[in-house]
Amino acid sequence: EAGVAQSPRYKIIEKRQSVAFWCNPISGHATLYWYQQILGQGPKLLIQFQNNGVVDDSQLPKDRFSAERLKGVDSTLKIQPAKLEDSAVYLCASSLSGGSPQAFFGQGTRLTVV
Amino acid sequence: GNSVTQMEGPVTLSEEAFLTINCTYTATGYPSLFWYVQYPGEGLQLLLKATKADDKGSNKGFEATYRKETTSFHLEKGSVQVSDSAVYFCALDTGRRALTFGSGTRLQVQP
Repeated sequence: EAGVAQSPRYKIIEKRQSVAFWCNPISGHATLYWYQQILGQGPKLLIQFQNNGVVDDSQLPKDRFSAERLKGVDSTLKIQPAKLEDSAVYLCASSLSGGSPQAFFGQGTRLTVV
Repeated sequence: GNSVTQMEGPVTLSEEAFLTINCTYTATGYPSLFWYVQYPGEGLQLLLKATKADDKGSNKGFEATYRKETTSFHLEKGSVQVSDSAVYFCALDTGRRALTFGSGTRLQVQP
């Protein structure tokens, strides 16, 4: 079974530039998550999708971050404009709906803002 | 709100030593509890889980018991190996399905 795919693996940008990350979840997984993991901290949820609808985006900085899930499958997370404090690893995860789900994580995109 | 507190690392052990990584939580309702592991250069992987009080999760020689009375889910292994060197995250899920993570504990096992 293919895992959660993310790209790119690494990205370096200057502050005030924009950047986008892509995620392809495991086939058939209805729920998709984006987490932000700052160095030395645990992952923090940014946004949760159920199919192509948003379930929770309460911790997404909406003035600069946006996310969409195309046709309930792939997802993109965008930052515009980036700030130094956005330097982190951005993790995508997916899970089946129903029961006590196990979330499967991608390898993440490491963003460095200089 | 929900939160998870883990012991700070790094934890450095010799091979075959006994491991305990402490985890306590605060949550509304009855959460499911998880341990995830992140090996160098790899993504987060589920190590074990427990969904109700007194359940014991186990995998690869690791164990953790869901203790509701002490709101704890400590990770243990009787004999660690160099290959266990990784960052370990305790996490909870209250049914919203989005995980709340602790800050992680880095384990270094020396031969």
